[in-house]
Amino acid sequence: AQSVTQLGSHVSVSEGALVLLRCNYSSSVPPYLFWYVQYPNQGLQLLLKYTSAATLVKGINGFEAEFKKSETSFHLTKPSAHMSDAAEYFCAVSDDRDDKIIFGKGTRLHILP
Amino acid sequence: KAGVTQTPRYLIKTRGQQVTLSCSPISGHRSVSWYQQTPGQGLQFLFEYFSETQRNKGNFPGRFSGRQFSNSRSEMNVSTLELGDSALYLCASSLGPSGRSSYEQYFGPGTRLTVT
Repeated sequence: AQSVTQLGSHVSVSEGALVLLRCNYSSSVPPYLFWYVQYPNQGLQLLLKYTSAATLVKGINGFEAEFKKSETSFHLTKPSAHMSDAAEYFCAVSDDRDDKIIFGKGTRLHILP
Repeated sequence: KAGVTQTPRYLIKTRGQQVTLSCSPISGHRSVSWYQQTPGQGLQFLFEYFSETQRNKGNFPGRFSGRQFSNSRSEMNVSTLELGDSALYLCASSLGPSGRSSYEQYFGPGTRLTVT
């Protein structure tokens, strides 16, 4: 069965600093991986997804994520944090064997001025 | 294309009542999933419907039910409301069934249910 672990329920970074949000997955077959963002009082919005075409995936708002099979990771990064990046971020996994998409518990990103 | 719409956006009910929430997916999307989001439990999967059939169900009591119509619109119903049912209920649509694919889900803004 699939699973996804997001390390750190809260992460704080200074404006202009590197953003790194961690996601590790478990899947017995090649996975599909997703990052979503949720701004206050809104639904989730897709940032990017990995479907095996390329290990480095670029998403919206300057975010990108790298699929590392050996580490079973799909960490989300952004070179320079902006105040508008403050939100909750969810990593999710699905694959061709299971019948559902599994979401992590989320990481709330705080941006310090 | 219009996004996923959910109605109502806010709802206040009292314990013991029942409630019906509605979700209209993006045009052409045949899969609709429902999630409950609370500060303590995070995002929890309720159920998914594809082509009017329930494909998957999460670990929720039978008070939570849903259905999907031929136009892919979906409703979820909660009967005999409890205080713990207060949450943000999110609906998500996708072109195909979630899982077994790279179909991403598109989320609506949610319905905020408060049970007093």
